[in-house]
Amino acid sequence: ETGVTQTPRHLVMGMTNKKSLKCEQHLGHNAMYWYKQSAKKPLELMFVYSLEERVENNSVPSRFSPECPNSSHLFLHLHTLQPEDSALYLCASSYTGTGNSPLHFGNGTRLTVT
Amino acid sequence: SQQGEEDPQALSIQEGENATMNCSYKTSINNLQWYRQNSGRGLVHLILIRSNEREKHSGRLRVTLDTSKKSSSLLITASRAADTASYFCATDSSGTYKYIFGTGTRLKVLA
Repeated sequence: ETGVTQTPRHLVMGMTNKKSLKCEQHLGHNAMYWYKQSAKKPLELMFVYSLEERVENNSVPSRFSPECPNSSHLFLHLHTLQPEDSALYLCASSYTGTGNSPLHFGNGTRLTVT
Repeated sequence: SQQGEEDPQALSIQEGENATMNCSYKTSINNLQWYRQNSGRGLVHLILIRSNEREKHSGRLRVTLDTSKKSSSLLITASRAADTASYFCATDSSGTYKYIFGTGTRLKVLA
């Protein structure tokens, strides 16, 4: 039990589908993150929500759309994805205050785009 | 460009030996963290070292930080087969809460 729960664990979708990834944290943190992990590449920070501010990586395509309705829940909406979007998508949370806390990760959603 | 880069990319050792991994980064930081990832799972935080610290220990882990060289090392002593995993360093880019990771070191400990 990591305190950060991601669903689904595995997702296969066609390029014309629309799906959403969900993340929930029970740690009382005030920041949530989406990372993309592709083979042989560094983890790519996609989006950060902290204290109702959203920070995004400008290189993330618009077919990825985040939503953070409250400090405990985070979604990543997916539409018209490409095969190169296949990857492990990791959600994380942390506390951003005096002395930032470490990141707590979920176990990820393995996404395959066909 | 990438903030943290680990070296070596892969490391294979015998059980009982020590494993050393290095990380280099580019910008100023508030802290540097090391994480471990077992295959197909999320990352687990191991240790955090602040920019005003030079060395930190946690069990069999020893981390050093040299801010003048913008580098850190992770030493795992008396390695076990269960230490087999990928290890990543992460830095808070320019003192923000946006953590940037490298490509990691894949460690294999042979029983």
